[in-house]
Amino acid sequence: QVQLQESGPGLVKPSGTLSLTCAVSGGSISSSNWWSWVRQPPGKGLEWIGEIYHSGSTNYNPSLKSRVTISVDKSKNQFSLKLSSVTAADTAVYYCARTGPISVTTGYYYYYMDVWGKGTTVTVSS
Amino acid sequence: SSELTQDPAVSVALGQTVRITCQGDSLRSYYASWYQQKPGQAPVLVIYGKNNRPSGIPDRFSGSSSGNTASLTITGAQAEDEADYYCNSRDSSGNHLFGGGTKLTVL
Repeated sequence: QVQLQESGPGLVKPSGTLSLTCAVSGGSISSSNWWSWVRQPPGKGLEWIGEIYHSGSTNYNPSLKSRVTISVDKSKNQFSLKLSSVTAADTAVYYCARTGPISVTTGYYYYYMDVWGKGTTVTVSS
Repeated sequence: SSELTQDPAVSVALGQTVRITCQGDSLRSYYASWYQQKPGQAPVLVIYGKNNRPSGIPDRFSGSSSGNTASLTITGAQAEDEADYYCNSRDSSGNHLFGGGTKLTVL
């Protein structure tokens, strides 16, 4: 079964760039799925950051779009997140997740994020 | 609006039935997916589509939808169901949305 594992520095300085990688195992990143990044500030809810398809197509949260870059490395079966100009507000647990394609049934669309990494904590502090 | 609204907290007596709701305009076009998150753990998908459960999710979890409201129902709540629950959809631009989460307490 597919498993995801986030990795990257746990501490980033203010104004710096947060860089994380999500390794995909047990399956191919070139499957018919999108691959997402989601974060959760301490004590708060989930926030979608963005997603990427194996072709390199991306979608980003409009509120973060100017600072986010998501890329894919098919040779390593992994995808990555870069978030620039970070502040303390970017302190969070960062998750990667497999996002299924959009389907339609009984006149409604639906999709789901069915596989999640365990998450990695990133603290922005000097 | 491009938001999903959930009640912050809900409680249920052990063995009783509880409904957790999620409201938003996007739910007129999308079925919500629902995630359970226990402290210190990653979210787990519990319901998706019209009313589908991933393998391993107990059948006491069910989903429904009407108008701009999606509901997650737990029939016969167990102590291990105490967790935060999040609904998820997309807005008209295709951006993912999460509700603010509902903290479920099993009494």
